[in-house]
Amino acid sequence: LAKTTQPISMDSYEGQEVNITCSHNNIATNDYITWYQQFPSQGPRFIIQGYKTKVTNEVASLFIPADRKSSTLSLPRVSLSDTAVYYCLVVPGGSARQLTFGSGTQLTVLP
Amino acid sequence: GEEVAQTPKHLVRGEGQKAKLYCAPIKGHSYVFWYQQVLKNEFKFLISFQNENVFDETGMPKERFSAKCLPNSPCSLEIQATKLEDSAVYFCASSQSGLLQETQYFGPGTRLLVL
Repeated sequence: LAKTTQPISMDSYEGQEVNITCSHNNIATNDYITWYQQFPSQGPRFIIQGYKTKVTNEVASLFIPADRKSSTLSLPRVSLSDTAVYYCLVVPGGSARQLTFGSGTQLTVLP
Repeated sequence: GEEVAQTPKHLVRGEGQKAKLYCAPIKGHSYVFWYQQVLKNEFKFLISFQNENVFDETGMPKERFSAKCLPNSPCSLEIQATKLEDSAVYFCASSQSGLLQETQYFGPGTRLLVL
């Protein structure tokens, strides 16, 4: 499994765009990049997943360069309620196996 | 249901006592996963099921941990003779097909405190 590296913590202010970058240098051809969000006292929640280029949904955008060795989660106009831990995961496609979480990035949104 | 349900929310046990945790996966989901979150951000995989069959138990401490997913019943995770180091939040997740690129839906967790 490809190891992921992401910042331990980030601070932002309400209304700003937040970009969290994750490096995964050893990503394999059939690996997907997936981000989960965890609020205090809750289970992780799926945010977005991609394989290459750009993916956008109602919550976030995911940018993946051509070499796929990194990815950037972009949260537009964050609010206080976006304060959470964000996990970047590299998941092999096609196999029913467990998710492997890293340490995550604690995002704190300040008023 | 549309959400993964876990009971109880909190569980306090003295060392050596038994602890039993329950998980009801989303209806129609065939795969159930159990994870242990010990420190704030560290997850450890314990076991997964495909319907009532154990799919992967490589993360299970074999001596004191056991788990079941029986038809028409919530899945369960049981810890015999709890130890202080078992204090953690235990999450259950379910998915429809088990494919890793498919979303796993997590429950709210059971916080176990062993005194």
